[in-house]
Amino acid sequence: AQSVTQLGSHVSVSEGALVLLRCNYSSSVPPYLFWYVQYPNQGLQLLLKYTTGATLVKGINGFEAEFKKSETSFHLTKPSAHMSDAAEYFCAVSVPGGGGNKLTFGTGTQLKVEL
Amino acid sequence: DGGITQSPKYLFRKEGQNVTLSCEQNLNHDAMYWYRQDPGQGLRLIYYSQIVNDFQKGDIAEGYSVSREKKESFPLTVTSAQKNPTAFYLCASQPGQNNGYTFGSGTRLTVV
Repeated sequence: AQSVTQLGSHVSVSEGALVLLRCNYSSSVPPYLFWYVQYPNQGLQLLLKYTTGATLVKGINGFEAEFKKSETSFHLTKPSAHMSDAAEYFCAVSVPGGGGNKLTFGTGTQLKVEL
Repeated sequence: DGGITQSPKYLFRKEGQNVTLSCEQNLNHDAMYWYRQDPGQGLRLIYYSQIVNDFQKGDIAEGYSVSREKKESFPLTVTSAQKNPTAFYLCASQPGQNNGYTFGSGTRLTVV
């Protein structure tokens, strides 16, 4: 079965600083990987996804993530944080052709952006 | 515009009462899911349905029930058997294999 680990339940950065949110996965086959963002009292919104092809994936709001098979990682980055980036971020994994298409989510990372 | 609608946004229930949360989508997605979200615990899967008239239990199905009589609708009933129902409930739909989910805006259920 696949699983996801998000290192750091809370991350704090200064406005304009680099954002790095960590995600490691476990899967017996090459997975599909996703990052979602959630603002307070709202649903989750897809930021970006990796299925096949280019390992560096660009998403909305200036975020990007790189699939590194050797490190089983899919870390989320943004070069310059903005106050509006403050939210909770979830990494998720699914297994092609198996698991009933279900996504398995990490426990989330709360991003705080300070002036 | 296509989307997934959850209602109501806030719901209060007295202990011992059943309550039903609505989830409707007009995206023509086959699969639908219900998750429960509690602080610090991420999303936990309650039930899911891949096709109409079929559904499966997730990781925390006890005290919950669902139906899938129409492709567009996947209501969740929180029964009196659910001992700790206060939580934020999220519904999601998925167009096909290995695609991401589209989420509704959630229902916050509070037991009073």
